[in-house]
Amino acid sequence: QVTLRESGPALVKPTQTLTLTCTFSGFSLSTSGMCVSWVRQPPGKALEWLALIDWDDDKYYSTSLKTRLTISKDTSKNQVVLTMTNMDPVDTATYYCARIGYYYDSSGSKHYYFDYWGQGTLVTVSS
Amino acid sequence: DIQMTQSPSSLSASVGDRVTITCQASQDISNYLNWYQQKPGKAPKLLIYDASNLETGVPSRFSGSGSGTDFTFTISSLQPEDIATYYCQQYDNLPSYTFGQGTKLEIK
Repeated sequence: QVTLRESGPALVKPTQTLTLTCTFSGFSLSTSGMCVSWVRQPPGKALEWLALIDWDDDKYYSTSLKTRLTISKDTSKNQVVLTMTNMDPVDTATYYCARIGYYYDSSGSKHYYFDYWGQGTLVTVSS
Repeated sequence: DIQMTQSPSSLSASVGDRVTITCQASQDISNYLNWYQQKPGKAPKLLIYDASNLETGVPSRFSGSGSGTDFTFTISSLQPEDIATYYCQQYDNLPSYTFGQGTKLEIK
């Protein structure tokens, strides 16, 4: 059974750095092909993809936020950590971690989807 | 970056109605398009992957179609438990994933 759970502060002050941890079970991030991603959702607004880390420790970031984001993993602890610097009230959102599932079609092309999500953690940025 | 435009942004329909949501990509994304359902206070749930493939366990009243830039998500007979916000998501230009702005579905 695959589960993910986000943890971190509920409240951060403007200019501070946010650190969120995703603790997962039911799969290993050392398995070839596995990826974990972060997605956020401001209150009443749409989902926004933030970052991804894969089994090979390759890291990818949203173009608009890449200068502020760092993603890392601790395979032994089954954890993925996201840090976001210089927090602003507009960063107030529910932050989700999600596993990216995949399969290969008959032609060998790889297909992706967010198949398992954590319950999300609401982070409010306010002084 | 590829932009995803969903319409309508909100929709009110009656139980038993056929409901259709569209998603348009700013460039050709083949069939690299997934659909998610998000109920209030919950995480999104995968319903359709690769434009038209129903995720295991998802009721058959949900379906998807399309390729290239234009995609459609359909609920054939709306049920009360389908009240949610629905999102499309593309993955053509990996490793970037883009979501649509969502369609909020309400019961009339």
